[in-house]
Amino acid sequence: DVKVTQSSRYLVKRTGEKVFLECVQDMDHENMFWYRQDPGLGLRLIYFSYDVKMKEKGDIPEGYSVSREKKERFSLILESASTNQTSMYLCASSLLQVDSNQPQHFGDGTRLSIL
Amino acid sequence: AQKITQTQPGMFVQEKEAVTLDCTYDTSDPSYGLFWYKQPSSGEMIFLIYQGSYDQQNATEGRYSLNFQKARKSANLVISASQLGDSAMYFCAMRESSNDYKLSFGAGTTVTVRA
Repeated sequence: DVKVTQSSRYLVKRTGEKVFLECVQDMDHENMFWYRQDPGLGLRLIYFSYDVKMKEKGDIPEGYSVSREKKERFSLILESASTNQTSMYLCASSLLQVDSNQPQHFGDGTRLSIL
Repeated sequence: AQKITQTQPGMFVQEKEAVTLDCTYDTSDPSYGLFWYKQPSSGEMIFLIYQGSYDQQNATEGRYSLNFQKARKSANLVISASQLGDSAMYFCAMRESSNDYKLSFGAGTTVTVRA
């Protein structure tokens, strides 16, 4: 069975802190994604990666960076956390194959609060 | 411009009845795919059903079916014989061939099933 694991379900940090959100998948997927979810806005893509050490900006990359040193792990970094980054963060992975019906598989999400 | 529009923020449905969740999309790509996800209160995004733009028949998966009307650019999800466990938020999403890594999500519809 496919599994995407996010390191924390709930996280509380302070303004200005550097925050790391970790995501691991065990499906040998090439693609990995980070989204944030806010009420009324659905999911918005922050960054994605299609290979180790490769990354692409999504729709809302400002204030975030990512790291993918190993295929199975994709980290989201808030360089200097701000209160407007309080949100639900979802990690996903998928096969590299394009034009396919392969869905993205999601983790359980991390509810991050910045105080 | 919004690529995916879900106009129903919330819906109530009686147990054992059917419910239709609306989704309209906007794309100029001839090739695209449409996905529906379920998000229970626990937070995980669960893939439900997929419809490809060239599929001749409407997709079905158990109690889930997709009413795909290509000319109207709509892809409504129908849940038959609703169960209490169907109470969740439901998201419609689209992948376009010109941007094949990304999923664009709607704002979501909350479904509450009443006993």
